[in-house]
Amino acid sequence: AQKITQTQPGMFVQEKEAVTLDCTYDTSDQSYGLFWYKQPSSGEMIFLIYQGSYDEQNATEGRYSLNFQKARKSANLVISASQLGDSAMYFCAMREGRSQGAQKLVFGQGTRLTINP
Amino acid sequence: KAGVTQTPRYLIKTRGQQVTLSCSPISGHRSVSWYQQTPGQGLQFLFEYFSETQRNKGNFPGRFSGRQFSNSRSEMNVSTLELGDSALYLCASSPYRSSGYNEQFFGPGTRLTVL
Repeated sequence: AQKITQTQPGMFVQEKEAVTLDCTYDTSDQSYGLFWYKQPSSGEMIFLIYQGSYDEQNATEGRYSLNFQKARKSANLVISASQLGDSAMYFCAMREGRSQGAQKLVFGQGTRLTINP
Repeated sequence: KAGVTQTPRYLIKTRGQQVTLSCSPISGHRSVSWYQQTPGQGLQFLFEYFSETQRNKGNFPGRFSGRQFSNSRSEMNVSTLELGDSALYLCASSPYRSSGYNEQFFGPGTRLTVL
């Protein structure tokens, strides 16, 4: 069975510093996708970045990058130059199988990130 | 392009009642998934519909059901509500691309409180 583990329940970071949010996963499937979502206090889940299991390069989206280490089964999110608006819950999620297949995501427990001014 | 919309945003029910939540996906998206979010269990997958067919189902009792209409709009129903059903219910829609990945776009959620 798939499993996502986020070991940091909460993190506190100074504004403008870089921050790394940890995510490890477990799956027996060779084809899978890894996602990071941000959930502000409003509740809506905001898609940040995606990494496919066959992608050779780490994904990047603006200030977000994903440090993908397949052998270690880790997919850490790196936020560069953090901003006050980055304060939120962050979830790592995994989809098993082909991207054209059933869209079921398994989520980790999340990390609450607080950016201090 | 309008995002995923969910109605109602807030709902208060009593034990034993039933409830229906609605989700309108992004135009052109054919896949709709539902998730339950609680402080104790986190985010859990309920089910996914694609072209009016349930394609995948999570580990929830039969009191939880759903359907999808020809316009891709989806509803989920919870019958005989229990206190533990109090949660944020999130709907997500996804496009169907023959290549690349299909990220899920989430709606704002419906917060259900069962008294």
